[in-house]
Amino acid sequence: DQQVKQNSPSLSVQEGRISILNCDYTNSMFDYFLWYKKYPAEGPTFLISISSIKDKNEDGRFTVFLNKSAKHLSLHIVPSQPGDSAVYFCAASGNGNKLVFGAGTILRVKS
Amino acid sequence: DAGVIQSPRHEVTEMGQEVTLRCKPISGHNSLFWYRQTMMRGLELLIYFNNNVPIDDSGMPEDRFSAKMPNASFSTLKIQPSEPRDSAVYFCASSLVWDQPQHFGDGTRLSIL
Repeated sequence: DQQVKQNSPSLSVQEGRISILNCDYTNSMFDYFLWYKKYPAEGPTFLISISSIKDKNEDGRFTVFLNKSAKHLSLHIVPSQPGDSAVYFCAASGNGNKLVFGAGTILRVKS
Repeated sequence: DAGVIQSPRHEVTEMGQEVTLRCKPISGHNSLFWYRQTMMRGLELLIYFNNNVPIDDSGMPEDRFSAKMPNASFSTLKIQPSEPRDSAVYFCASSLVWDQPQHFGDGTRLSIL
């Protein structure tokens, strides 16, 4: 059973517009959430995180929103750039448990 | 600063052979993780170590898989005997402590013929 779900396998966005990547989770014990970005032939790189005590965390063009009641988080990239084209993984952990990753969403930013 | 270093980057071998994947974590990191990425299952945790001690190996698929961390700067993931369904990209990651963001190596692409 997938505890972390990224239901959109891919997303295509025009350069300069907003990219919104979504993630849902089922385990209510999760209290720490992360986003990773992965380019081809490279390992995932940490992008941004949020703990369950917050509902928003911002770092430059990247903002993560957490809706605990809906068990949903999203990553907003504004403005999107062609270099943002990559696979984005959502991950979650909590209560001493290991990190669980979603299946990933391929983002393509068109110039 | 050097990141997580994995070797080899690519491995092609025949079914039944022993495969050994190697990882050097970032210096000073106390936790090390081995992941496998496949199209079907995405990125799944196989095993992780804390201070060189295996903490959770529940993700190791079968007894054919084993992992060791003899010291703080080196870990191996071994498959013996290898099977075609083991073909995947294997990532090693490390973090300062187990629940902090992990830094990944570039992976080993393993193909078992």
